[in-house]
Order: sequence, then C-alpha cells, then structure tokens
Amino acid sequence: AQTVTQSQPEMSVQEAETVTLSCTYDTSESDYYLFWYKQPPSRQMILVIRQEAYKQQNATENRFSVNFQKAAKSFSLKISDSQLGDAAMYFCAYIRDDKIIFGKGTRLHILP
Amino acid sequence: EAGVVQSPRYKIIEKKQPVAFWCNPISGHNTLYWYRQNLGQGPELLIRYENEEAVDDSQLPKDRFSAERLKGVDSTLKIQPAELGDSAVYLCASSPKRGVSYNEQFFGPGTRLTVL
Repeated sequence: AQTVTQSQPEMSVQEAETVTLSCTYDTSESDYYLFWYKQPPSRQMILVIRQEAYKQQNATENRFSVNFQKAAKSFSLKISDSQLGDAAMYFCAYIRDDKIIFGKGTRLHILP
Repeated sequence: EAGVVQSPRYKIIEKKQPVAFWCNPISGHNTLYWYRQNLGQGPELLIRYENEEAVDDSQLPKDRFSAERLKGVDSTLKIQPAELGDSAVYLCASSPKRGVSYNEQFFGPGTRLTVL
C-alpha cells in the first residue's frame, strides 16, 4: 500500500527567507502524481504545485518549487521569499487513479 | 465560477444523535469525494462518486455512515448515530473528468463536527 510521510510536524521561517518542507512516499507504481496542498485556517485545501512522476524536470510555480527525486521517493517543497500569507498546514499527497493519499501535514509558521 | 459549497460549516451534536452534511460540487464535475480529516491528520477518503454511482466506498463505516448522490450533482453524507470519535472535519471535493491519469480535486471549506 502507498504511504506518504511528512517528518516535520511544524516549521518556522522568517519572512522573506526560504524554507523547505520534506516529504517521502512509498509506492511500487511508476506512473503517479504528487501534489502539495495548502490548508489555511479557513480549512479550504488549495493546490500549490503538482509533479508528474514521468517528468524529470522539477515543477515550479512562482515562489514555490519542488525537488523531486523519484529513485529516492522524495518530494520536497521549497518556498522562496516567504510571506505572512504562506502560514498554513501543508500536505504532501500521492495520487494515482483518482485516489489521493495525504501525509499528516507540516504546520508552517511565518515569523515577521 | 463558484467553488465547492458545503453546509453547515460547523455542527455540534450530542452522541447518538444523527447528523447530515451537504455538498454541492462545481458545476459539470462528475466526480465527488467525501473525506474525513481528524485533528492533526491529513484527509482520508470515505467515498467517491462517479456521477450517481459510488465507485469506492471501501473506507466508509457502513454501520453508521451513509451517503447519497441521487441525481449525480449534490450529495449528502449522514452519520447515525454519531459517536465521540466522529468529531472531525468532513471535506467534500469534486473533479471535472474521469479516464485520465489524474483529476485535480477542488475542495470545499469543510464541516467541522463536534460530538459531545
């Protein structure tokens, strides 16, 4: 069975600095997708960035980028120039055939 | 375009009482999901619908939970009777199409249930 592990329950970063959130997963499949979702206090899950497993190039969305290491089954999220609005829970998710498996999340604090 | 709508946002009930949650997905989205999110955890799938058909309900505790999506649009999730351990956030999500490698899921704001 697939699993997703986020080993950092909480992290803090100074505003304008860079922070990296870690995620590892376990699967025997070769074709799948990996997502990072953000969940602010409003509880609405918001897609931050996605990565197709068949693509070697790391995905980038403005200040958000990933380091996807398929062989190591690692999928970390880097947030550059952190802003106060980035404070939230971040969930790493594995997706295959419409089924999402979420990690337990990392709570990110932004220090002004 | 309106997002996924859920109601109520909050619900407090006593144990053994019934409770129902409602979800209206994004217009045109065929697939609808119900998730439960316990405190400090990621969401876990309860049931997935393709139109009005429940195609994955393997994680739904069928002794007390039920769900329906009669016309393939909005959906209701019910718990009867509720137990203390059912306190959680219940999230609804929808996605636009099937038959592709992945479907981006759009989430609603959730219903926070507290069972006393």
